[in-house]
Amino acid sequence: QQQVKQSPQSLIVQKGGISIINCAYENTAFDYFPWYQQFPGKGPALLIAIRPDVSEKKEGRFTISFNKSAKQFSLHIMDSQPGDSATYFCAAANAGGTSYGKLTFGQGTILTVHP
Amino acid sequence: GAGVSQSPSNKVTEKGKDVELRCDPISGHTALYWYRQSLGQGLEFLIYFQGNSAPDKSGLPSDRFSAERTGGSVSTLTIQRTQQEDSAVYLCASSMGQNNEKLFFGSGTQLSVL
Repeated sequence: QQQVKQSPQSLIVQKGGISIINCAYENTAFDYFPWYQQFPGKGPALLIAIRPDVSEKKEGRFTISFNKSAKQFSLHIMDSQPGDSATYFCAAANAGGTSYGKLTFGQGTILTVHP
Repeated sequence: GAGVSQSPSNKVTEKGKDVELRCDPISGHTALYWYRQSLGQGLEFLIYFQGNSAPDKSGLPSDRFSAERTGGSVSTLTIQRTQQEDSAVYLCASSMGQNNEKLFFGSGTQLSVL
């Protein structure tokens, strides 16, 4: 019930391409879905987040698509750049029940963008 | 400081020893979280503080793990009688409050238990 499953484990794209990472969750109490970006040796940093009352949120080159009925959400990175090479984590929280910060994370996707 | 500060950045210890990991959150942040990141794994929630109290300790894996926060600021995570499976990166994060969605993570403490 608490799991968040993320795929793929690793992803290689060419500069300028679209990177797509998918996540699925089981707990219907989750009401907050952020994506975090982590560079080696650093802590994760919040990239973009969505609530279940909208199906899509876009910030610059980053877009979250959310499908409540399928309990799935995905991150799209348009015009991928070498600087986007990092590990990406999806996460979910029952913010209304506890806190935005008690997150259940996916296993992570290592993204490599070739120049 | 400008960000969440964790110390030490690396800690090597022998099995059976106790260790203390420190977290200095961003000034004014009332919510503080500890997470554990094992090699190749996602982050695992350990404990959450609001002020000095810990309303949610549900992620602590055993009674060898404990944490405290004093003065609504610095937090210490203590692991007693360390085991090899405790080896991981321990991450601390803070936010302006439990209803604030933006978590700021520190760079973590890499704990290695030999």
